[in-house]
Amino acid sequence: DIQMTQSPSTLSASVGDRVTITCRASQNINRWLAWYQQKPGSAPKVLIYRASTLESGVPSRFSGSESGTEFTLTINSLQPDDFATYYCQHYSGYPWTFGQGTKVEIK
Amino acid sequence: EVQLVQSGAEVKKPGESLNISCKTSGYSFSTYWIGWVRQVPGKGLEWMGIIYPADSDTKYSPSSRGQVTISADRSISTAYLQWSALKASDTAIYYCVRPSASQYLEFWGQGTLVTVSS
Repeated sequence: DIQMTQSPSTLSASVGDRVTITCRASQNINRWLAWYQQKPGSAPKVLIYRASTLESGVPSRFSGSESGTEFTLTINSLQPDDFATYYCQHYSGYPWTFGQGTKVEIK
Repeated sequence: EVQLVQSGAEVKKPGESLNISCKTSGYSFSTYWIGWVRQVPGKGLEWMGIIYPADSDTKYSPSSRGQVTISADRSISTAYLQWSALKASDTAIYYCVRPSASQYLEFWGQGTLVTVSS
């Protein structure tokens, strides 16, 4: 099974900061990777799929990139609404798996 | 508009059976996979499994296989997650998910909290 290792587990940042979250796959997943945002008490919502494609309606300050088996979610100019937990997830063959999550907190 | 509406919160005792549901609308139920994701309160997301309603092809995660049953009723566009004997460790929020055509988790239900306690 493919393991997804996400880091950091917690990140403290200020409004306006540029934030980077990393997810490493244990083997090649051919860019079949999505990023989700979850706020307390709510279901997750997709931000990015296919490693770098922005879901419709998601602000352009979110972006995704890939280098081999390492994937990055970047939030440019962090906004108050962005303080949440973020998860990566691969969908390259079953079973699908999630990263452990990154909580973005207010510094 | 695609909607996934899950059944309400449940409180059960260990050993009891349970069936939670996910009523869908706004798309052709048979032609998209539909599945379940688990989240212990305060913890991360865990993919459990998925079913293709058109032919009932079902995929389970290793940790879910044999512990739960995923099913779908095409006549009422509803997916189910079933336990025959609950354990305290099944306490979690369960989300119904519908992947897009390219399989990322595009739509999510509101979640069903299952509490198993003696």
